[in-house]
Amino acid sequence: SQTIHQWPATLVQPVGSPLSLECTVEGTSNPNLYWYRQAAGRGLQLLFYSVGIGQISSEVPQNLSASRPQDRQFILSSKKLLLSDSGFYLCAWSRTGNSNQPQHFGDGTRLSIL
Amino acid sequence: AQKVTQAQTEISVVEKEDVTLDCVYETRDTTYYLFWYKQPPSGELVFLIRRNSFDEQNEISGRYSWNFQKSTSSFNFTITASQVVDSAVYFCALSDWGGGADGLTFGKGTHLIIQP
Repeated sequence: SQTIHQWPATLVQPVGSPLSLECTVEGTSNPNLYWYRQAAGRGLQLLFYSVGIGQISSEVPQNLSASRPQDRQFILSSKKLLLSDSGFYLCAWSRTGNSNQPQHFGDGTRLSIL
Repeated sequence: AQKVTQAQTEISVVEKEDVTLDCVYETRDTTYYLFWYKQPPSGELVFLIRRNSFDEQNEISGRYSWNFQKSTSSFNFTITASQVVDSAVYFCALSDWGGGADGLTFGKGTHLIIQP
């Protein structure tokens, strides 16, 4: 069966520090991968998605970047965190193909910026 | 542009009551997909249902049922005989037929509280 792992679960970082959140998927090949952010009082916002190694699409201009160095690894990064980067970050995967495939989410990372 | 509206920010009912969560969507595409996800207090999102725009049949799964009406662009979710374990935030989401890996557009969620 497929599983998705996301870490760390909780992170507290000072403003201006770098960020690296990691997500890996097991039990499937060539998945579509996604990063979402859930800010307080707001819905889920798609940040990045990837259909393959090295292929990243950004939905919203922001202080963050994503990379997919391996087929089942998706990394969310920032060189300098802003206060507005605080939120709950969720990684998700779906089977390759069109958008009718359900997305399956990791447990999320709660990021607090001080 | 796509948009999903969940007008009910929070709903509180007593256990065993029926409750309906509303979802209204906007899209220009004729082919699209609708989803419901459950987010329990632990934070992860759990997939509940997927419905494509060509299938307006209502669906029932145990105590859960979904009413899809294209005429009103709504995809409402009803829990019958609610239980405390149903307490969670529920998200409705929309995905256009992008021919590739499009992300989901989510509503802001409805916080459902089931009181014992």
